[in-house]
Amino acid sequence: GAVVSQHPSRVICKSGTSVKIECRSLDFQATTMFWYRQFPKKSLMLMATSNEGSKATYEQGVEKDKFLINHASLTLSTLTVTSAHPEDSSFYICSASSGQSEKLFFGSGTQLSVL
Amino acid sequence: AQTVTQSQPEMSVQEAETVTLSCTYDTSENNYYLFWYKQPPSRQMILVIRQEAYKQQNATENRFSVNFQKAAKSFSLKISDSQLGDTAMYFCAFCDAYSGAGSYQLTFGKGTKLSVIP
Repeated sequence: GAVVSQHPSRVICKSGTSVKIECRSLDFQATTMFWYRQFPKKSLMLMATSNEGSKATYEQGVEKDKFLINHASLTLSTLTVTSAHPEDSSFYICSASSGQSEKLFFGSGTQLSVL
Repeated sequence: AQTVTQSQPEMSVQEAETVTLSCTYDTSENNYYLFWYKQPPSRQMILVIRQEAYKQQNATENRFSVNFQKAAKSFSLKISDSQLGDTAMYFCAFCDAYSGAGSYQLTFGKGTKLSVIP
């Protein structure tokens, strides 16, 4: 089946630094990728939707200058948390859609801890 | 905006028994998709079962089946012969069919934590 690789699985960084999370579709072309945030024992909250070659669409309340999303190719989307602060600590999950299959494939997630 | 409600924060079931997780949703759309996802301690999201709203027949996948009541906007998940590996968070999710070609933007419920007791 289709596989989405998300890297890194865990990252610890100092406050004020930037962190980049990668999401790759390994065996299909992902026309659309989604980025979610999940707080402990909570549900997934959609942050943004990215389509290859165009600007991401951010959900209300998500700071686009803080959470930079790039979807430069059909197999790679990146989420960069800029000037990270402790309140950005969370579990981030990406998902990808091929557009030709009525299925969505999830990455394994990234646990971000900002000290 | 669509909403998905899971009214059971936690549930438990004895191994080999059957358990039903409830989910209701609110939408004005007529064509949409409904999903149940499982998130085990590894936190990997795993698709359990999927239902298209235009299909009256309830979806089944081995030990997993749904009771889809479109008029009532209800979409419950039944797990038969529960196994220890079924212990996980279960999320109900909604996606309208008009999110754009290939764009399956999901709205998730808050989840139900299921514990299978040996």
